[in-house]
This record gives sequence, structure tokens and C-alpha cells, in this order.
Amino acid sequence: SAVISQKPSRDICQRGTSLTIQCQVDSQVTMMFWYRQQPGQSLTLIATANQGSEATYESGFVIDKFPISRPNLTFSTLTVSNMSPEDSSIYLCSVEENGRDTQYFGPGTRLTVL
Amino acid sequence: DQQVKQNSPSLSVQEGRISILNCDYTNSMFDYFLWYKKYPAEGPTFLISISSIKDKNEDGRFTVFLNKSAKHLSLHIVPSQPGDSAVYFCAASETFGNEKLTFGTGTRLTIIP
Repeated sequence: SAVISQKPSRDICQRGTSLTIQCQVDSQVTMMFWYRQQPGQSLTLIATANQGSEATYESGFVIDKFPISRPNLTFSTLTVSNMSPEDSSIYLCSVEENGRDTQYFGPGTRLTVL
Repeated sequence: DQQVKQNSPSLSVQEGRISILNCDYTNSMFDYFLWYKKYPAEGPTFLISISSIKDKNEDGRFTVFLNKSAKHLSLHIVPSQPGDSAVYFCAASETFGNEKLTFGTGTRLTIIP
């Protein structure tokens, strides 16, 4: 399966600032996804990011708050904008390898907003 | 509305015995199901999957059973090993290409040596 890395692995940020999370894959993949896991909760899909097109956001998530870039088939970024303590979560990217039916996850970014 | 439910937040099993983790779903459009294992400070690791055309899938110590009429699936781990201690999530999707995964809330499995 693809090897996925995320940067940063964790960060502590101040209210009102923004953080950009990077996701790098060691192979070209068509579909990349961004999830959020709030404390004690399940994983929730934020958006699907396909190369060359606008990200598709799930209900409850908007582009102004979570802008996503997907400049090529191995890289994506998620920005958490104008952060509040409620944004404190683990943010995970995942990929669906071409021709396979399973998503594989990166190690996650643990974000704490003060 | 929690479409995928794992009603047991935690489970303790003796090493060498069978671990059974359960998952229920409400969306009858789900046709592909997956189990992930998650260690602290790591991303979820894919374990095993099953499509709705099957009722059982086996991979080594892991077996997933699907009961479509009851909208229920279970993961059996036998024999259980200390390294199996982790949080287990079931997930479901509406398409075989599983473009969108809906996750359960997880079950923390502890294997007692």
C-alpha cells in the first residue's frame, strides 16, 4: 500500500490563526481525502480532493474554513482557518489507490487550539 | 444521525481467546464494509473488508461476518494477541469504490496477557 506522510505531526496554535497541513504520498493517486477526528469521536470526512478540480466538501464543512489544494497526484494540503478551540482535533489524510477499493491513512496531525 | 454504530466502547479479552467486535448500520445503501485498527498517535490501519455480495471474509487471524438482513457485521480475531490491543473502527460506504467512508465510534480492545 501507499506510504503517506503528514506535516506537522502536531501543533499548538492560538485562536484566530490558520494552520496548513501537508499530505505527501509516495505514489500517484487519483483520490485523496481529509478527515477529522474530534476528541472521543469517530472519524468524519471533511472533503474529497481530486487533482485538477475543486474539492468536494461534506455537509457542515465549507471551503472558507477548510481550503484544500491538490496541485498534483502525490500531494495535498488542508488549511484550518481562523481557528477556535473547537477545531482541536486530529486531522487525517487518506488515499484510495488506483484500482483498489480501500482507503489508506496517513499518521494524522494533532492540532490543539488555545 | 449515527449511521454506523459500535455499541461497545471497550472490550477486554484474554490472550489466546477469541475477540469479537460488533458493528451495526442503518443505511441500507451501504454495500462495502471495512475494519480499521488504530494505535495511539497513528493513523488507522486497514485490516479487512467485505462487500455485500459475501457474508464472510477471512484473512489469517481476522474474519469479518456480514448479516445484511440484520444490518450487522462483526470482526473475529483468533487467537487474540497482545499486539491486537488498539481501537477498532468499522466503516461503510455506499459504492464498491468506497469514495466516502462513514465510520463507527470505535471499540477499544484490550488483550490481557
